[in-house]
Amino acid sequence: DQQVKQNSPSLSVQEGRISILNCDYTNSMFDYFLWYKKYPAEGPTFLISISSIKDKNEDGRFTVFLNKSAKHLSLHIVPSQPGDSAVYFCAAAIIQGAQKLVFGQGTRLTINP
Amino acid sequence: DAGITQSPRHKVTETGTPVTLRCHQTENHRYMYWYRQDPGHGLRLIHYSYGVKDTDKGEVSDGYSVSRSKTEDFLLTLESATSSQTSVYFCAISGFAGGFEKLFFGSGTQLSVL
Repeated sequence: DQQVKQNSPSLSVQEGRISILNCDYTNSMFDYFLWYKKYPAEGPTFLISISSIKDKNEDGRFTVFLNKSAKHLSLHIVPSQPGDSAVYFCAAAIIQGAQKLVFGQGTRLTINP
Repeated sequence: DAGITQSPRHKVTETGTPVTLRCHQTENHRYMYWYRQDPGHGLRLIHYSYGVKDTDKGEVSDGYSVSRSKTEDFLLTLESATSSQTSVYFCAISGFAGGFEKLFFGSGTQLSVL
């Protein structure tokens, strides 16, 4: 049973526009959420995170929104740049539990010039 | 780079043979993890370690074993490889509990089981 789901396998956005990547989760015990970015032939790298006590966290061009009632989070990238083309993974954890992250399936983002 | 090395980077093996993947870190981090990445599944945790000789299972641990005899090395063993274990394997390290922002991944091992 997939506890963290990214229902869009791919997304194509024009350079300069907003990219919105979505993620849903089913386990209400999750209290920490992260986004990782992955380029081909490399390991994932941390991008941005949010605690369940917040509904928004911003870091430069990246903003993560959390809607706990809907068990939904989204990553906004504004403006999108060609270097943003990568696979993005949503992940969730229970901070006081075992130190384990649960990942979504990933969304491949392509930024078109 | 976070000082994490996976070896080998690529391996092709036959069904039924044993395979060991190695993760080596130079960061002296306490937590080490093995994930596998498959299309449609994202990254799934196989096993993790929270100290020397301290390990625990992840969500897809069947068919895998791990060992951590020293801080810097975390070994993943497939006792008898199957075609379903063809995947990209990532090792990750973290310095402290809840330190997911500081979860550093290696570059991965592409394993093909024929």
